[in-house]
Amino acid sequence: DVKVTQSSRYLVKRTGEKVFLECVQDMDHENMFWYRQDPGLGLRLIYFSYDVKMKEKGDIPEGYSVSREKKERFSLILESASTNQTSMYLCASSSGGAKNIQYFGAGTRLSVL
Amino acid sequence: AQSVTQLDSQVPVFEEAPVELRCNYSSSVSVYLFWYVQYPNQGLQLLLKYLSGSTLVKGINGFEAEFNKSQTSFHLRKPSVHISDTAEYYCAVSDWNTGNQFYFGTGTSLTVIP
Repeated sequence: DVKVTQSSRYLVKRTGEKVFLECVQDMDHENMFWYRQDPGLGLRLIYFSYDVKMKEKGDIPEGYSVSREKKERFSLILESASTNQTSMYLCASSSGGAKNIQYFGAGTRLSVL
Repeated sequence: AQSVTQLDSQVPVFEEAPVELRCNYSSSVSVYLFWYVQYPNQGLQLLLKYLSGSTLVKGINGFEAEFNKSQTSFHLRKPSVHISDTAEYYCAVSDWNTGNQFYFGTGTSLTVIP
């Protein structure tokens, strides 16, 4: 089974802090994704990556950055956390090709106070 | 880019009754279609997928969905729901042009009433 592991289930941070959300997958997938999930808005894509050291902006990249130094790890960075970034963050990975399936981690619920 | 519409944000249904969760997408180009389920405090789990072939696909937990190309729909159905089906359900689409990127609907919250 594919396993996508997010390092924290719950995080509480203060406004202005730098926050790192880590995601690791164990299936040698090329593609990795970060989503934000909010009530009534569904899943919104923040950033994705097709390969090591490569990144693409999704629909809502403002206030976020990412890092992919190794194939299995994809980090989401909040340079200066703000209260409007309080949300559930979901990481996903998939193999290459058109008929791929995205596999999700359990999510990190981030509260910024 | 694709857009995905889930017409019902909340669906209450009595236990053992049938249920249909509706999903429509924007483009009729070759698409791949998915339903995911999210139980409370968990990530998304694949329920079923349509990649090609038969338009009626069966998934886990007794769910099935039918791909209707002319109506650009992919509705999810279950003939008899259980309390444990209470969850959030998401429809997703990818297409030939952006095969690596998924487009998600806003979700449908299914509540099964005992």
